[in-house]
Amino acid sequence: DGGITQSPKYLFRKEGQNVTLSCEQNLNHDAMYWYRQDPGQGLRLIYYSQIVNDFQKGDIAEGYSVSREKKESFPLTVTSAQKNPTAFYLCASSKTDPIMYSNQPQHFGDGTRLSIL
Amino acid sequence: EDQVTQSPEALRLQEGESSSLNCSYTVSGLRGLFWYRQDPGKGPEFLFTLYSAGEEKEKERLKATLTKKESFLHITAPKPEDSATYLCAVQAQGAGSYQLTFGKGTKLSVIP
Repeated sequence: DGGITQSPKYLFRKEGQNVTLSCEQNLNHDAMYWYRQDPGQGLRLIYYSQIVNDFQKGDIAEGYSVSREKKESFPLTVTSAQKNPTAFYLCASSKTDPIMYSNQPQHFGDGTRLSIL
Repeated sequence: EDQVTQSPEALRLQEGESSSLNCSYTVSGLRGLFWYRQDPGKGPEFLFTLYSAGEEKEKERLKATLTKKESFLHITAPKPEDSATYLCAVQAQGAGSYQLTFGKGTKLSVIP
């Protein structure tokens, strides 16, 4: 079955530590996204990538970094500069249409819950 | 700035009691409006895309409608398994605008 796999499901970070969240998709989608979800708030975009080796900052990119070396993979690193990293992190992907800036829906993985030790 | 407001924040229904969820939006040209369902501890599951005012989409007990300022998700004769948080998101027109702006969601509880 095609889908988006996020790992691990739960992750704990120590002070001063960088941690990396994995996101893999086998939907053959060009675009991939990282969101952060906090209780009582809407999903907020951290980074997105429309094509391999290219990515853009979203609304809350400070303290995070990403890479896009393969179409299928879009890992997110939460750095020690992110002072409030406790949240539910969601990865998504979608088809794209460079001409129409397609309104294809984004499909989500089941998230990684990050907590501070 | 694009904005999405969902109401109510929470809704409690008896099984079989129909109701509607509201999504009001302001966007500089709507490219698409999306409805998602999210279960606790899971990622959002795509339900519908609406593109233009007057459009309607249906799936089982759910029906989504769209006007120029808001969208409604109508739930007919809900069952306990319809309990979830329902999210609304908009995509604006413009170059490179793959981004979505999400509302905070409506948490629906259906009591047997």
